[in-house]
Amino acid sequence: QLQLQESGPGLVKPSETLSLTCSVSIDSISGSNDYWGWIRQSPGKGLEWIGSVYYNGNTYYNQSLKSRVTISVDTSKNQFSLKLSSVTAADTAMYYCTRRLTSSGVFDCWGQGALVTVSS
Amino acid sequence: DIQMTQSPSSVSASVGDRVTITCRASQGISRWSAWYQQKPGKAPKLLIYAASSLQSGVPSRFSGSGTGTDFTLTISSLQADDFATYYCQQANTFPWTFGQGTRVEMK
Repeated sequence: QLQLQESGPGLVKPSETLSLTCSVSIDSISGSNDYWGWIRQSPGKGLEWIGSVYYNGNTYYNQSLKSRVTISVDTSKNQFSLKLSSVTAADTAMYYCTRRLTSSGVFDCWGQGALVTVSS
Repeated sequence: DIQMTQSPSSVSASVGDRVTITCRASQGISRWSAWYQQKPGKAPKLLIYAASSLQSGVPSRFSGSGTGTDFTLTISSLQADDFATYYCQQANTFPWTFGQGTRVEMK
């Protein structure tokens, strides 16, 4: 059964870069026809899709964050990562890594979530 | 971006009640919608996709309907395990967007 697990610092200083990694339990990300990505949830903005990456490295970002977001994939480690630069308190949220099914466009698998607080 | 508007924002119900939650898209999305259940401290869980298809392992008391702009999630007989927050999502147009959530509370 597919499992996703986020890892990374829980506290980031304002203006710095938030970095999270998601480890995927299946045999190989590169054998999947689906998308891997990130969704965040904060009390003020609900669920917000951040972006997705395909195994070949093609990325799709939410325009609202595009200038600050980089999502990358490392098929050799079966991981994908999120970097969000120039963070502010508004970026404080629970960050989930997800799989988005190509066939239906829905998020069928989620990590347990990583709470990231932006504070000095 | 497509806006997904859920109603009500919260509903009080008892075990055994029939509960209906609606979601309206700001433009037509055919049947490209989904419903998720989220319990406190947990990630959302997919319940329904393609408007009415039940995700594997989800109890049959959950059902979805709708097409175009109006969608409905129905819990036919509410169980104790169903008290949670429910979200709709549109899967028609990038960027993928969610409703603001409906909290199902115990009456």
